[in-house]
Amino acid sequence: HSALTQPASVSGSPGQSITISCTGTSSDIGGYGYVSWYQQHPGKAPKLLIYNASNRPSGVSNRFSGSKSGNTASLTISGLQAEDEAEYYCNSYTSGSTPWVFGGGTKVTVL
Amino acid sequence: EVQLVESGGGLVQPGRSLRLSCAASGFTFDNNAMHWVRQAPGRALEWVSGVNWNGNNIDYADSVKGRFTISRDNAKNSLYLQMNNLSTEDTALYYCARVEYGGYSQWGQGTLVTVSS
Repeated sequence: HSALTQPASVSGSPGQSITISCTGTSSDIGGYGYVSWYQQHPGKAPKLLIYNASNRPSGVSNRFSGSKSGNTASLTISGLQAEDEAEYYCNSYTSGSTPWVFGGGTKVTVL
Repeated sequence: EVQLVESGGGLVQPGRSLRLSCAASGFTFDNNAMHWVRQAPGRALEWVSGVNWNGNNIDYADSVKGRFTISRDNAKNSLYLQMNNLSTEDTALYYCARVEYGGYSQWGQGTLVTVSS
């Protein structure tokens, strides 16, 4: 059981926009701004896409954007491309006994 | 070029120990906190442990507390994870990750730990 809840899968056609949600509680996402998002292709290490809920590191495409409202963080991929097909994970700091938690992951499929 | 290279994984019997290492290069190692994250086959990422820049602030996931010990040697640009009393549930690919910008900006390629009799 992951502390952060993500949909198992999201799909979209090339060029469309999709949004992945990451739902937590006031003890994690709602209480802190330390939410990050990662993209992982099969057999590869994860790659940082978004940090502090809405900031994008240099070198990451501006098609990726993040936001946070209450206990839910979201990752939006605009102009969906075939290369965006991957697993996506959210991560947050938490006040619990395990200070950092990941979501269960969302498989993005480009139709 | 920033590089993180993990080593030390392998096949080990339940109850035994293993020590993982992560060699860092291409950045000022003692400027960053470092974490270990693992991924069981076909499963989600799981945070394991983290250490601040000088080793004075350390955290563990409940699932490994009391069995795993994280440490770092800034003089050697290296991060370690001592894993004791391993169980089959610890079978996973173990990544070391650099903490930057409030996220994990760099990851190693991972080292596979398989716990089986």
